[in-house]
Amino acid sequence: GAGVSQSPSNKVTEKGKDVELRCDPISGHTALYWYRQSLGQGLEFLIYFQGNSAPDKSGLPSDRFSAERTGGSVSTLTIQRTQQEDSAVYLCASSSDRGLPSYEQYFGPGTRLTVT
Amino acid sequence: DQQVKQNSPSLSVQEGRISILNCDYTNSMFDYFLWYKKYPAEGPTFLISISSIKDKNEDGRFTVFLNKSAKHLSLHIVPSQPGDSAVYFCAARSTTSGTYKYIFGTGTRLKVLA
Repeated sequence: GAGVSQSPSNKVTEKGKDVELRCDPISGHTALYWYRQSLGQGLEFLIYFQGNSAPDKSGLPSDRFSAERTGGSVSTLTIQRTQQEDSAVYLCASSSDRGLPSYEQYFGPGTRLTVT
Repeated sequence: DQQVKQNSPSLSVQEGRISILNCDYTNSMFDYFLWYKKYPAEGPTFLISISSIKDKNEDGRFTVFLNKSAKHLSLHIVPSQPGDSAVYFCAARSTTSGTYKYIFGTGTRLKVLA
């Protein structure tokens, strides 16, 4: 399909290990967002990429979290030295260029991360 | 500091009746408000939105009302159907220097009883 895809769908890792989560946005969408949803919580903004602009990293909870977006398409969220409180569903969303009327975000199915 | 609040974590409604989901916000600079629906193990899907310059937007069974003076919006679903059972998130968009940021509420779990 042409939707947002994320991999892996589930990831179990040991505390202290590094993990990488991948997001493939909808083709042509210039904006890409990462959120996480902890148990019983809403969607917490993490980072936002828009075209070639510097990303908005204001939501990253610590310097253990980083994200890249290569070639304006695929994005990878990396969590170093994972902690149990990092356990959550990590959601990626993309949206079309800011100049167009469409402004809603299209979400992927998420990656459920469990840190043991 | 929760800029977007959904104070009701859950709501149960009989099939065929009206469902009203509420959302409050604190930032008067938000320019768009959106509702998303989320089923278990899936990402949220866009449902309906409203510009801050309007007070109502309707799409089929779904209507969103915006009361800017009260900084309150609501989603009405009429008539409610069992398939509407899901978690509903309210989101608000702020625009700064041409970039968009979305703030989400914590969600309301709607259960439509057959």
